[in-house]
Amino acid sequence: DIVMTQSPDSLAVSLGERATINCKSSQSVLSTSNSKTYLAWYQQKPGQPPKLLIYWASIRESGAPDRFSGSGSGTDFTLTISSLQAEDVAVYYCQQYYSSSYTFGQGTRLEIK
Amino acid sequence: EAQVVESGGGLVQPGRSLRLSCAASGFSFANYAMHWVRQAPGKGLEWVSSISWNSDKRGYADSVKGRFTISRDNANNSLYLQMNSLGPEDMALYYCAKDLGDGYSHEAFDIWGQGTLVTVSS
Repeated sequence: DIVMTQSPDSLAVSLGERATINCKSSQSVLSTSNSKTYLAWYQQKPGQPPKLLIYWASIRESGAPDRFSGSGSGTDFTLTISSLQAEDVAVYYCQQYYSSSYTFGQGTRLEIK
Repeated sequence: EAQVVESGGGLVQPGRSLRLSCAASGFSFANYAMHWVRQAPGKGLEWVSSISWNSDKRGYADSVKGRFTISRDNANNSLYLQMNSLGPEDMALYYCAKDLGDGYSHEAFDIWGQGTLVTVSS
């Protein structure tokens, strides 16, 4: 299985500041057949199901605020929140869907400093 | 509005069985692969199982292979997870999720339900 490793495990950022979460896959999730990167990011707030934020590594899901952006390629990926808002407090997960044995990162807890 | 609603969770003794259901609405259910994902209390997300739009492809996590069976009824917009030989390690909130891509395209999970809780205890 492809192992997804996120860093850091937790993060505290001041309101209005940038937050950066990293995700590394144990093997490339870039398909050479269609040049697509099979990487998604989810946000999970307390007591709620996960919500898709980013797919194909950098495509923002409809309704996701534009302060959220995804980048990276191959095995190294980043979720960036450009200006942290109070409502962004959540756990964030990366997921690979390159393999049909889908795997998630362990999660990164984002808090307000 | 596209949505999925899980049901069927509850308290079950170790070694017993349980069948989860997921009712879909607001989208063409028959066109999309569907997934089950679970989350143990205070833990992260774990993919459990997936089924293609026409049921000809099914996948399972190693942790449930041979014990769980995924199925769907496209005529009734429903997804199921039959869980046998349940153990304490299966105790979790089980989410039903829709695949973003249609047909055989396997993509991210764009629609999630609120989950149904499975508790395994004697």
